[in-house]
Amino acid sequence: DIVLTQSPDSLAVSLGERATINCKSSHNVLYTSNNKNYLGWYQQKPGQPPKLLISWASTRESGVPDRFSGSGSVTDFTLTISSLQAEDVAVYYCQQYYATPRTFGQGTKVEVK
Amino acid sequence: QVQLQQRGAGLLKPSETLSLTCVVHGGSFSGYCWSWIRQSPGRGLEWIGEVYHNGNTNYNPSLKSRVTISIDTSKNQFSLNLTSVTAADAAFYFCARERMDSTMVTVFDNWGQGSLVAVSP
Repeated sequence: DIVLTQSPDSLAVSLGERATINCKSSHNVLYTSNNKNYLGWYQQKPGQPPKLLISWASTRESGVPDRFSGSGSVTDFTLTISSLQAEDVAVYYCQQYYATPRTFGQGTKVEVK
Repeated sequence: QVQLQQRGAGLLKPSETLSLTCVVHGGSFSGYCWSWIRQSPGRGLEWIGEVYHNGNTNYNPSLKSRVTISIDTSKNQFSLNLTSVTAADAAFYFCARERMDSTMVTVFDNWGQGSLVAVSP
């Protein structure tokens, strides 16, 4: 199985400040045939299912604020919230769809400092 | 706007079979793959398996011997059966739609609301 390891497990950021979450894959998730990274990012708030934020490592979903951005390639990826808002308090997960079984990172909890 | 509505029993005894159904409202049912995912404090988010519109399936090897996912295109729904449950199977269970890119499955772009499953003697 492809193991995704997120860091940190939790972080507290002041409102308006930057939050950075890392996701490291145990296996390459870049298909060289199409030069796409098969990695997504999700946001989960209490009592809700995960919500898709980003696909292909860096493509933001329609309606997702542009303060959310994804970057990285091959095995190392980052989700950045450029200016944390109160409504961004949540747990964030990376997920690979390069191979089955599809796997998720363990999650990173983002709180307001 | 597609909505995934989950139905099924929440309290099971050890050795019983977990059965959940996900009904898809709105949007297209074909052209997507449909998955079950569970979440528990100990295991985090765990993909259980998926079913294509044509009925083909893929399962997580860790659960493959106990899992069946089926699809009923006439009713726009798909179902999960997990046999011989134990306390380790207690979790929130989610159904989800997987977006397709050509013939490849990609992200989970729509999720059901979740079903809490408890296992107790």
